[in-house]
Amino acid sequence: NAGVTQTPKFRILKIGQSMTLQCAQDMNHNYMYWYRQDPGMGLKLIYYSVGAGITDKGEVPNGYNVSRSTTEDFPLRLELAAPSQTSVYFCASSYSGGGNEQFFGPGTRLTVL
Amino acid sequence: KNEVEQSPQNLTAQEGEFITINCSYSVGISALHWLQQHPGGGIVSLFMLSSGKKKHGRLIATINIQEKHSSLHITASHPRDSAVYICAVRGSQGNLIFGKGTKLSVKP
Repeated sequence: NAGVTQTPKFRILKIGQSMTLQCAQDMNHNYMYWYRQDPGMGLKLIYYSVGAGITDKGEVPNGYNVSRSTTEDFPLRLELAAPSQTSVYFCASSYSGGGNEQFFGPGTRLTVL
Repeated sequence: KNEVEQSPQNLTAQEGEFITINCSYSVGISALHWLQQHPGGGIVSLFMLSSGKKKHGRLIATINIQEKHSSLHITASHPRDSAVYICAVRGSQGNLIFGKGTKLSVKP
């Protein structure tokens, strides 16, 4: 099993550009999450999904969109990138909710200039 | 006040020392997680516990639900233990609420 995979590993965007961060898992997990990690701060939840077709906002959803058309994939879309979105983004998955172990992807380091 | 507080923020130890990292939380929880973030950035789950104590190799995690406090202990520390250790508890949305992490550096 590959576990949780994320692409790309690194990306530099200009202000106003858009991009999609890809996330996939092959563990048949129902729950998937997107977090961002800023220097010196704990991970913050952006969006999460409890199953295909179901998504919900987390703590910091502004400026982002997600979709979950399949169990495996959970892409994160940034529209009109801003410097405040410079961060490291982690995707994670778990079989069920927050009481279960979460498996993390390797992260995407995004810089918006 | 953060819902999950870790101490210390930074910790430097000599190889072989016994290490303790603390986590206090202010919300009701069903489970508390300890995670390790490697210097390269990858995050792995170490423990998930809701009561008592768990042990895995040289790592021991304890939790006191009444005092809303958990500790992560590392016995016979080694330079390869150098990492950021993160405490997280389940929030009202079912998501995890993370502490800021404790950066551990173990010197040979």
